[in-house]
Amino acid sequence: DIVMTQTPLSLSVTPGQPASISCKSSQSLLFSDGTTYLYWYLHKPGQSPRLLIYEVSSRFSGVPDRFTGSGSETDFTLKINRVEAEDVGVYYCMQGVQSPITFGQGTRLEIK
Amino acid sequence: QVHLVQSGAEVKKPGASVKVSCKTSGYTFTSYYIHWVRQAPGQGLEWMGIISPSGGSASYAQKFQDRVTMTRDTSTSTVYMELRSLRSEDTAVYYCARDPWGDSGRYGVDVWGQGTTVTVSS
Repeated sequence: DIVMTQTPLSLSVTPGQPASISCKSSQSLLFSDGTTYLYWYLHKPGQSPRLLIYEVSSRFSGVPDRFTGSGSETDFTLKINRVEAEDVGVYYCMQGVQSPITFGQGTRLEIK
Repeated sequence: QVHLVQSGAEVKKPGASVKVSCKTSGYTFTSYYIHWVRQAPGQGLEWMGIISPSGGSASYAQKFQDRVTMTRDTSTSTVYMELRSLRSEDTAVYYCARDPWGDSGRYGVDVWGQGTTVTVSS
């Protein structure tokens, strides 16, 4: 199975400041079609996870442009340009290049 | 609009079985695979398996291979996940989630159900 490792596991950010989360995979997430299947989700308490970013850097419908995904092969980053109070929750990266799909451990974002 | 609506919370005793439903709407049911993912208290997201709504074939995580069955009912656009021989460690929120890629060898999740809490306690 592909192991997904996120850092940090938690971060506390002042509103208006940037935040960055790293995700590393144990194998390349580049599929034979040339696309890299790396996703980012936000899981807020009491809600179901919400897709933010797909295929490394594409924002899902309705996701604010302060969220940016980048990276390639095995090394990925989610950046929040200016953190807002509504961004609190746990962020997960997930790989979809092979079964079983696997998730990172999650990064808890809190507001200072 | 795409919706995945799951059945309500369950409380089960150890050794029992639970069957969670996931009713879909707003898209062609047979065109999108469905994953089941769970989250135990204080833990991360754990993949359990995937089912093809068109043919009904399913693939399970090795951890659950002998205890889980995923099925579907095309007449009601509903998928089901049954977990048997429950133990306290199965206490978790169980989610169904739609995969946009079908039978392509690649995977993803774009829409999630609201989750079903299953509590296993004597």
